[in-house]
Amino acid sequence: SYELTQPPSVSVSPGQTASITCSGDKLGDKYASWYQQRPGQSPVLVIYQDSKRPSGIPERFSGSNSRNTATLTISGTQAMDEADYYCQAWDSSTGVFGTGTQVTVL
Amino acid sequence: EVQLVESGGGLVQPGGSLRLSCAASGVTFSFYWMSWVRQAPGKGLEWVANIKQDGGEKYYVDSVKGRFTISRDNAKNSLYLQMNGLRAEDTAVYYCARLGIGDWHFDLWGRGTLVTVSS
Repeated sequence: SYELTQPPSVSVSPGQTASITCSGDKLGDKYASWYQQRPGQSPVLVIYQDSKRPSGIPERFSGSNSRNTATLTISGTQAMDEADYYCQAWDSSTGVFGTGTQVTVL
Repeated sequence: EVQLVESGGGLVQPGGSLRLSCAASGVTFSFYWMSWVRQAPGKGLEWVANIKQDGGEKYYVDSVKGRFTISRDNAKNSLYLQMNGLRAEDTAVYYCARLGIGDWHFDLWGRGTLVTVSS
């Protein structure tokens, strides 16, 4: 079965850039989306189709996807960005989520 | 207000059944593919099932095939998940989610309903 692997945790200082990777076989041939989940809350879409931001998502969130790795970048990280982040893709109509990354803003 | 509201969760014994519902409001429900996604306590997200706008196509994660059935009633703006043969590993918060038009991304989520399978 298809798998997406993320680092368990990423730490970043306020105002700095956080990068979260998502690795999967030929992931660049698929669309990747990213979800933010704050503690006790439902997930929120922050990036879709590799690099598009939904309405209401700050410009500091950006995404890319090439070859085997999709990347979510948070520029000028703020305390409110502290959350779990999940990548997601589709493999033959089967949904796959990444293992999740906890972002800590120190 | 655009929202999805799940209901029907609760405590059930192993081998039992439960039917989850998701009521959509503020959206043209019949335009969208819909999904169920679950999250076991302290764990990550897991896609469970998708259903096409007219109910004519359905897809499931392997671990629930033959046990769970996704369905919808567009006249009632509602999505359902019939869960039979429940196992301890099905314990999770179950989220109803809308799939965005154009490509599949979960662009709207409910608040979830907790299903606990335990004796």
